Amino acid sequence: AQKITQTQPGMFVQEKEAVTLDCTYDTSDPSYGLFWYKQPSSGEMIFLIYQGSYDQQNATEGRYSLNFQKARKSANLVISASQLGDSAMYFCAMRETQTGANNLFFGTGTRLTVIP
Amino acid sequence: GAVVSQHPSRVICKSGTSVKIECRSLDFQATTMFWYRQFPKKSLMLMATSNEGSKATYEQGVEKDKFLINHASLTLSTLTVTSAHPEDSSFYICSARDMTGVYNSPLHFGNGTRLTVT
Repeated sequence: AQKITQTQPGMFVQEKEAVTLDCTYDTSDPSYGLFWYKQPSSGEMIFLIYQGSYDQQNATEGRYSLNFQKARKSANLVISASQLGDSAMYFCAMRETQTGANNLFFGTGTRLTVIP
Repeated sequence: GAVVSQHPSRVICKSGTSVKIECRSLDFQATTMFWYRQFPKKSLMLMATSNEGSKATYEQGVEKDKFLINHASLTLSTLTVTSAHPEDSSFYICSARDMTGVYNSPLHFGNGTRLTVT
C-alpha cells in the first residue's frame, strides 16, 4: 500500500489566492513525522514545513500552513497569498519513527501553477 | 542552516562508462545519507541508505553492484554508476539529516545530478 498519496497531479491557482494541496498517509506507527517539500524546475528539494504526529497544533511557517487531521490521516498543505514563484512541484513525505529509518517516503507530487 | 552539496549537477557519459556523484554535508556530520532517484515527472524513490564506515543498505530491486556507494567520512558519500546504460539516465539526488538536531529535523537535499547516458 502507498504510504503517501497525493491525488492531485496538477493544480492551478490565481496569484494572491490561497491553495490547498492534498496529502493522505498510511502508517501503523504511532510516532511519525510529515514533511512538505517544494521542487522548482531546477530540481533542488526545498523543505517547507513539518508536522509531528503528536503535535497538538497545526504547523505554520510564514505563508505555509499544514491542515493536520490525524483521524483522517491527512496532512494538507495550504499556501496563502500565492506568488508566481510558488509554481513548482510539491511533495508530501513521511518518516516513521519506530522503524528506526531516517529516510522519507514521498508521494507522487502535485504540480502547482500560479496564474498571474 | 544545514547544506548538502552535490556534484556534478549535470553529466553526460557514453554507454559502458562509469560516473561518480559526490554528496557532501557542508556544516554538519552525517552518519547516514540517502540516495534517491527521480524519473521525469515522478516521485523520489529511495535507492539506498549510505552508512559511514559500513556497507550501504539497498532497497529492493536496486543492483548494488551497479550502484556502488561509498561513505568514507562523516561528510562525504559517493554514488558510482558503473557500466552506465541509457536506462540509467535519470535525476539522482542525495540527502542527509543533521543527527545533532532535534528529532523533527528534516532531510536536507543536494541539488541533484542529472545523468544522461548516450
